[in-house]
Amino acid sequence: DVVMTQTPPSLSVAIGQSVSISCKSSQSLVHSDGKTYLNWLLQNPGQSPKRLIYQVSNLGSGVPDRFSGTGSEKDFTLKISRVEAEDLGVYHCVQATHVPFTFGSGTKLEIK
Amino acid sequence: EVQLVESGGGLVQPGRSLKLSCVASGFTFNNYWMTWIRQAPGKGLEWVASITNTGGSTYYPDSVKGRFTISRDNAKSTLYLQMNSLRSEDTATYYCTRDWRWFAYWGQGTLVTVSS
Repeated sequence: DVVMTQTPPSLSVAIGQSVSISCKSSQSLVHSDGKTYLNWLLQNPGQSPKRLIYQVSNLGSGVPDRFSGTGSEKDFTLKISRVEAEDLGVYHCVQATHVPFTFGSGTKLEIK
Repeated sequence: EVQLVESGGGLVQPGRSLKLSCVASGFTFNNYWMTWIRQAPGKGLEWVASITNTGGSTYYPDSVKGRFTISRDNAKSTLYLQMNSLRSEDTATYYCTRDWRWFAYWGQGTLVTVSS
């Protein structure tokens, strides 16, 4: 199975600051169809996860452009520019290139 | 508006069975693959099962293969998860999601607790 290593496990940031979260996979996430199925999710406290980014860098519907995703092959980053209070929660990366799909262990974002 | 509403969770003894349902609305159900994902209390997310739009093919991780069965009724826009031989480690909130690679829409989840 593909292991997704997500860092850091937690972050504490002030409103308006920028942060980055890393997700590294144990195998290349480039599918045979040429696409890279690496997604980022946000789970606000007590809520279901919601998708932020799909296929590395595509912004989900309704997601503010403060969020951006970059990366390739095995190394991916989620960046949040100008953090807002509503951004608190747990961020998950998930690879959907190789079955079984696997998730990172999550990054908890707290607001200072 | 896409809506996914799960039901069927509850307290069940180890070794027993439970069937979850997910009613979909706001999109053409039979055009989309569907997926179940779970989250143990205080833990991360785990992919549980996926099914093609026709129901002709299903996919599972080893942790549930042979015990869980995903199915769907396109006439009722409903997704199911039949869970047999339940174990304590199956205790989790189970989410229904649309698609299988893009995780665009999630239900609110239904909690399954496996305990004697």
